[in-house]
Amino acid sequence: DIVMTQSPLSLPVTPGEPASISCRSSQSLLHTNGYNYLIWYLHKSGQSPQLLMYLASNRASGVPDRFSGSGSGTDFSLKISGVEAEDVGVYYCMHALQTPMTFGQGTRLEIK
Amino acid sequence: QITLKESGPTLVKPTQTLTLTCTFSGFSLSTTGAGVGWFRQPPGKALEWLALIYWDDDRRYSPLLKSRLAIIKDTSRKQVVLTMTNMDPVDTATYYCAHYGSGTYYNPFAAFDIWGQGTMVTVSS
Repeated sequence: DIVMTQSPLSLPVTPGEPASISCRSSQSLLHTNGYNYLIWYLHKSGQSPQLLMYLASNRASGVPDRFSGSGSGTDFSLKISGVEAEDVGVYYCMHALQTPMTFGQGTRLEIK
Repeated sequence: QITLKESGPTLVKPTQTLTLTCTFSGFSLSTTGAGVGWFRQPPGKALEWLALIYWDDDRRYSPLLKSRLAIIKDTSRKQVVLTMTNMDPVDTATYYCAHYGSGTYYNPFAAFDIWGQGTMVTVSS
């Protein structure tokens, strides 16, 4: 199984400041088609998970452009250019390269 | 517009079998590339992928739970059913189903984009 490791696990951020979350996989997520099968979700309290990014760097429909994803192979990151209050929640990376699909431990973003 | 909704018991006893139904709309599970997956999140813990069924009836399971899980689809009724046998208090969690789009080899998507609201299942005697 591919192990996904996120850091940090807790991320206090001042509104308007940038934030970055790292995600590492134990195996390369680069598919033979040239795409990295890495997904980012935001799970807000009391809601279902919301897709933010797919294929590592593609923003999902309706996701603000302050969110960006990057990385390739085994190292990925999610960046928020200026955190807003509505960005509070737990961020998960997940791989979709093969089954079993696995999640990182989650990064809890909170507002300072 | 794609929607999914989970239904099933909120309380099951240890050793019983859990049956959850995901009723969806806005897509067909006979469309190439489509799938429905199941996930869970125990209180205070991370999300966990459980199972996935594809449009061609290919079924995949978490290795840790494979002996206890079964996933089936009813394309005409637009439902996917997950059963989990021999329930234990550690299986207490919110269970979610979600739509999966694989895309194509040269134009992949490969993500669960729309999720149901989730259903809380407690395992207790």
